[in-house]
Amino acid sequence: GENVEQHPSTLSVQEGDSAVIKCTYSDSASNYFPWYKQELGKRPQLIIDIRSNVGEKKDQRIAVTLNKTAKHFSLHITETQPEDSAVYFCAASPGGSYIPTFGRGTSLIVHP
Amino acid sequence: DSGVTQTPKHLITATGQRVTLRCSPRSGDLSVYWYQQSLDQGLQFLIQYYNGEERAKGNILERFSAQQFPDLHSELNLSSLELGDSALYFCASSDIGDTEAFFGQGTRLTVV
Repeated sequence: GENVEQHPSTLSVQEGDSAVIKCTYSDSASNYFPWYKQELGKRPQLIIDIRSNVGEKKDQRIAVTLNKTAKHFSLHITETQPEDSAVYFCAASPGGSYIPTFGRGTSLIVHP
Repeated sequence: DSGVTQTPKHLITATGQRVTLRCSPRSGDLSVYWYQQSLDQGLQFLIQYYNGEERAKGNILERFSAQQFPDLHSELNLSSLELGDSALYFCASSDIGDTEAFFGQGTRLTVV
């Protein structure tokens, strides 16, 4: 089955800095890569996703890049704000199977 | 509000007992997933149902079982509970294929 590795497990930045979270996946058939944000005590919520036919997608301060050859994808957050503090999960969905496999999460801490 | 409803929100029970967690998916979503999130752990996939039928199994213990009913709501049954089963259990639903999974608020299970 699919295996998703996520790094780093913890990321601490100053407000206004950029943050980058990286994920790798194992199944070359994966074609959908969502990113979820989970605030303390709350449910995971989708913040951005990318499909295998696209190399990059941007939505305001967040962007995701995908390198299918290397089987890795990354989340980029620019101009971080304290409200960006949360746990971020990447996931990969293999074609033919509809199960998102999640990474172990990255705890992002943005210091004011 | 994601449209996915989970009940109860909190559950405290003793070791050896059995509990049932309930999930109502988003209107129109045929696919239901169950995930377990323990302290400092990521989202561990347990099981998926699609339109009433079991579609995939993850790391689900034999003491755990689930089903999806004709009205598409799902129940996760946990029996012979152990202290290590204490966790946040999320239900998620999606339409079909590689689309966004919407998460419920979760059920926090505490086994004492």
